[in-house]
Amino acid sequence: EAEVAQSPRYKITEKSQAVAFWCDPISGHATLYWYRQILGQGPELLVQFQDESVVDDSQLPKDRFSAERLKGVDSTLKIQPAELGDSAMYLCASSLGPSGYSRELFFGEGSRLTVL
Amino acid sequence: KNQVEQSPQSLIILEGKNCTLQCNYTVSPFSNLRWYKQDTGRGPVSLTIMTFSENTKSNGRYTATLDADTKQSSLHITASQLSDSASYICVVTNDYKLSFGAGTTVTVRA
Repeated sequence: EAEVAQSPRYKITEKSQAVAFWCDPISGHATLYWYRQILGQGPELLVQFQDESVVDDSQLPKDRFSAERLKGVDSTLKIQPAELGDSAMYLCASSLGPSGYSRELFFGEGSRLTVL
Repeated sequence: KNQVEQSPQSLIILEGKNCTLQCNYTVSPFSNLRWYKQDTGRGPVSLTIMTFSENTKSNGRYTATLDADTKQSSLHITASQLSDSASYICVVTNDYKLSFGAGTTVTVRA
């Protein structure tokens, strides 16, 4: 069964360092999402791509976070510099399309970030 | 403002017992509502999807209900198993945005 691939699964870094997460969505899924999930809370959207274009990055802290999906397939989320409050699970999800039934999200296993 | 509220925040049940989780939403317009199961340290996995016209949908021992008039949904787990221990997240969609609840953490004890 096709899956959303994410790496690394776990990352420990010191504050002020740079960190990057990678996501490979299910083949053919045009819509890709990055979510941040703090323990005990629901996922919070950071950025949504439709193919290679950003369609929603209103909640992305752009002073330190960046995301790209250059060829409309895999994507990278970067944090520089990392802060203590960035410790969270970073989830990547993909869907066939941006609305209706096609918007069923398939999540990856997530990348757990710990900032010391 | 969180437009999806879930209750209880957490619950503990004995193996074999039933439980019901609640989801109230104010998202409008409404497209569909999904329940996801998230095991500890893993990504969420979809359990059910319900549209405006659907009242009940089952997936094995999981049964979801939807009352679009009162904007309430419930997820009923029948004959719970240890593997049901997880967080259950309600997600409400309109055509433009997905709104996530904070989840209900279910612990099943032997």
